[in-house]
Amino acid sequence: EVQLVESGGGLVQPGGSLRLSCAASGFSFNNYWVHWVRQVPGKGLVWVSRINGDGTTTNYADSVKGRFTISRDNAKNTLYLQMNSLRAEDTAVYYCARGIFPTSSGCVAYWGQGALVTVSS
Amino acid sequence: DIQLTQSPSSLSASVGDRVTITCRASQSTSGYLNWYQQKGGNAPNLLIYTTSNLQSGVPSRFSGSGSGTDFTLTISSLQPEDFATYYCQQSYSAPITFGQGTRLEIK
Repeated sequence: EVQLVESGGGLVQPGGSLRLSCAASGFSFNNYWVHWVRQVPGKGLVWVSRINGDGTTTNYADSVKGRFTISRDNAKNTLYLQMNSLRAEDTAVYYCARGIFPTSSGCVAYWGQGALVTVSS
Repeated sequence: DIQLTQSPSSLSASVGDRVTITCRASQSTSGYLNWYQQKGGNAPNLLIYTTSNLQSGVPSRFSGSGSGTDFTLTISSLQPEDFATYYCQQSYSAPITFGQGTRLEIK
């Protein structure tokens, strides 16, 4: 069974940093693109970032480019999102998600339960 | 960036109704258009991928169609469990984008 479990969310002050983790199990982690998608409670889905299986290709939404860094440790089956220079508008539930097929760079079929990040003083 | 516009933004319908939700892209997605359902505070659930392919385990009353820049999600006969919010997503080019969502409510 495919499982994705996020951790690391919490309350952080504006300008601060936080690192989210996503522990994956039940599949060959190094074969899949994985993503971060965020959602302000009650609002729509917003794609944040993605990384390919071997970690050599990454993409970011313009709103986080230069502030957030996606990475992965395939030996630990774990995805990360390092978030720096956090702003109030980064407050959201952050989901990690896996591509539907190994070749799929965008369509995601499996999601974690989400981690809430709150940026506030 | 490819912008996605869903219509309507909200919709009231009854059990048994046939419902269609539209997603229009600002440029061609070459068919890389996907549909998700989200209920309450849960994670989204993939329904349709690459325009018209039904994801495993999704009931056959859900279907997708379209090409170029115009796509539709159809629910042939609404069931009580279908009342939720639906999102389209383009996976053709980065940045990946979602539509703003369509909230389907019980009439």
